Amino acid sequence: TQLLEQSPQFLSIQEGENLTVYCNSSSVFSSLQWYRQEPGEGPVLLVTVVTGGEVKKLKRLTFQFGDARKDSSLHITAAQPGDTGLYLCAGEPGAGSYQLTFGKGTKLSVIP
Amino acid sequence: DVKVTQSSRYLVKRTGEKVFLECVQDMDHENMFWYRQDPGLGLRLIYFSYDVKMKEKGDIPEGYSVSREKKERFSLILESASTNQTSMYLCASSFDGVTNEKLFFGSGTQLSVL
Repeated sequence: TQLLEQSPQFLSIQEGENLTVYCNSSSVFSSLQWYRQEPGEGPVLLVTVVTGGEVKKLKRLTFQFGDARKDSSLHITAAQPGDTGLYLCAGEPGAGSYQLTFGKGTKLSVIP
Repeated sequence: DVKVTQSSRYLVKRTGEKVFLECVQDMDHENMFWYRQDPGLGLRLIYFSYDVKMKEKGDIPEGYSVSREKKERFSLILESASTNQTSMYLCASSFDGVTNEKLFFGSGTQLSVL
């Protein structure tokens, strides 16, 4: 069973601060997705990274896939209260398996 | 936009009751999934389906069954609800099981079993 470890589990920061969330595994994934879940809602896909070393930017969010495709990070610049939510990473194992493996999530609170 | 609709936002049931959770998607997606989400445990896959009348067990299928009689509808059934099935249940769909699956989630059903 492939596992994804997310850290930190909880993060509370002031508006305007920067932060990084990590998603690590000992296994290789063919791709990695990041979702954000707001209270009372289902997760919504933010980005998919596919190539080792890939960096994708979505406004103030920067996503990176590790060279070995075993880890990923999400960096938020100048966090805003609207960034508050649960951030989930999900790995696609590949090799004929299409079931995503989810991390347990990072709960982010951005205080105005 | 893809819409995945779960029939109930909140449900309260008694131990031993049979419980049906319904999910409908409107984008002709091939794949549908049922997850449960618990604090500290993340999302865990219960069952999934790649086609009508087809089902596959996920990581935690015990105590659950599913039904997919029509492409757009995927039902989760708790044959005899127990207190340890109190959880947030999330339904999801995706276009096709090729690569880089993008899951579209419903808003969830918070089930409490008393």
